[in-house]
Amino acid sequence: DAKTTQPPSMDCAEGRAANLPCNHSTISGNEYVYWYRQIHSQGPQYIIHGLKNNETNEMASLIITEDRKSSTLILPHATLRDTAVYYCIVRSYNTDKLIFGTGTRLQVFP
Amino acid sequence: DAGVTQSPTHLIKTRGQQVTLRCSPKSGHDTVSWYQQALGQGPQFIFQYYEEEERQRGNFPDRFSGHQFPNYSSELNVNALLLGDSALYLCASSFREGTPTDTQYFGPGTRLTVL
Repeated sequence: DAKTTQPPSMDCAEGRAANLPCNHSTISGNEYVYWYRQIHSQGPQYIIHGLKNNETNEMASLIITEDRKSSTLILPHATLRDTAVYYCIVRSYNTDKLIFGTGTRLQVFP
Repeated sequence: DAGVTQSPTHLIKTRGQQVTLRCSPKSGHDTVSWYQQALGQGPQFIFQYYEEEERQRGNFPDRFSGHQFPNYSSELNVNALLLGDSALYLCASSFREGTPTDTQYFGPGTRLTVL
């Protein structure tokens, strides 16, 4: 499974867009990019996933570069409730396990 | 629609004891995965159950075992508890659609403390 690199922490003002980067330079063609977040002491919450096209849902947008070596999760209007640890995961299509790193701790401030 | 549920929420055991944790998957899901999350770390995959069989296993000793029941619920058993087994144990469920993107949805976890 490809390894991911994320900044350990980021800050964002409430109401502004939060852009969380993830580097996955060794990703292979059949590996998907998944994003989860974990609010303190709760179970991880699924956000979004994609293969090579940009994706958008009610929670966020996922932008994957053309070479697929990096991606950005965008929370368009961050709120205080978005304060959490965000995990970027690269998952092969033929494996069931999710390999979590240490993620990015996003702090949204008023 | 109930999400993934886990019981108990908290548990305290002593070294050498055995523990059983329980998980009920989200409605419509047939696959259960278990993860261990130590303090300050990301979750680590323990194993996954589908059709009442262990399908894939992470790097965990045989002290960790599981079971899946016909109603898709699952148990995680840990024998001979060590202090290092203290962690948040997470259950995730999914539906095997036969596609590569069966998304896993997590429960709230069981906090196990070993004294």
